[in-house]
Formats: sequence, C-alpha cells, structure tokens
Amino acid sequence: DTGVSQNPRHKITKRGQNVTFRCDPISEHNRLYWYRQTLGQGPEFLTYFQNEAQLEKSRLLSDRFSAERPKGSFSTLEIQRTEQGDSAMYLCASSFGEGEAFFGQGTRLTVV
Amino acid sequence: KQEVTQIPAALSVPEGENLVLNCSFTDSAIYNLQWFRQDPGKGLTSLLLIQSSQREQTSGRLNASLDKSSGRSTLYIAASQPGDSATYLCAVRGSGGYQKVTFGTGTKLQVIP
Repeated sequence: DTGVSQNPRHKITKRGQNVTFRCDPISEHNRLYWYRQTLGQGPEFLTYFQNEAQLEKSRLLSDRFSAERPKGSFSTLEIQRTEQGDSAMYLCASSFGEGEAFFGQGTRLTVV
Repeated sequence: KQEVTQIPAALSVPEGENLVLNCSFTDSAIYNLQWFRQDPGKGLTSLLLIQSSQREQTSGRLNASLDKSSGRSTLYIAASQPGDSATYLCAVRGSGGYQKVTFGTGTKLQVIP
C-alpha cells in the first residue's frame, strides 16, 4: 500500500462548472477525512466518514459541496457551480480508528 | 470549540541550531496531538503522534512533548539542517463523540546553510 492517493493532483476549472475529486485511503483504514487549505492557513475540516457513514460535516461545507464514500473504501468530493472562493488545496486523510492520520498529497483547485 | 495556535508564525535559524516550535490549544480534552511537516504545494507528512496519556515522543532528531493540562505541545528539532525547511503544523484530535482534527496555522521554518 502506497498511502493515501488523491486524484487529480491539479484541477483548473471555469467558474460555474462542477468538479469531482477522488481519494483512495490506506486500505485497512476505516476513517476518512476531507480538509480544505488556503494559502498560509492550516487545513480546515470539511467532513468525516467512518466506513460508509458520513458522521460529521463542517458548516464550511455549503450545499454546493457533497461527499460520498459508497462502499467504505474510496471517497469522492464534488463541488457544484464552482466559485473563485473555492480555489484551495483539498486534502484527504485516513486513519484506523483514533490512530495516526495519514494525508494524501492533495488536489489543488483553481477556479478561473 | 477547539482553537490551536502556533507561535512563531515564521522562524529563520542557521544550520546546526537546536530549535523549539510551540503549539497551544484551548480545550484540554484531547485524544491525541500530531505534528506534521508540509513542503510548499505538497500534502502533509506525519512526524510524531502523541496520545493524550503520553508526555513525549521521539523520532530521530525530533522530540515532541505534550502538557495536556496547560494546553501546550512543543516540537524540538536538534541540529537543524537545510532539509528541515518547511512549514510545521500541529493538529489536535478531540475526545468524546465524533472526532475531527483541528489544525494550527503552522510555523514556517527556514534553516540557512
């Protein structure tokens, strides 16, 4: 297992378009987290899954954002009708229970 | 609501110096605290994880301490090297109920050869 994998690594999209990111966690990890990081800031929590159940969502996650983890393995994060303020690095992490969290390399979104 | 603060925001030291990075948090009811390294434009690399019942963890030249009652953690880097230049983030995982990790804003370290 090579760790948490995120695709794509970079995405440039026009304002108003929809985008979808994918995260493949470490295979035995039951918890999966999405974070957003803007320049010069620490990552901000977006949402968290335990297996396939989405257990918590931040108020940062507006109605335009949706995340799924249909089979308790990989997860997708979709942003509809993108806005320039959505430009950020989107980070995925996974852990086994409350153990150490491992992060992927992130997907950098630029909305033009 | 948990708040995590890291001071200083930036630090520049000559190669070979020992240094300390600070992290403070407002809610002491934590499950664990984790230190990460982030290189520009990259994801996060885990450095050390300290459980709430532990006082410190060591890995190579790195030593992290935790004082839960005072809401503080420090990351000690011995004999700094230019390759240590990066942003260092601390992250606190809450205890009880659904758990998420709250990050500080990081300390940007530059080690000058």
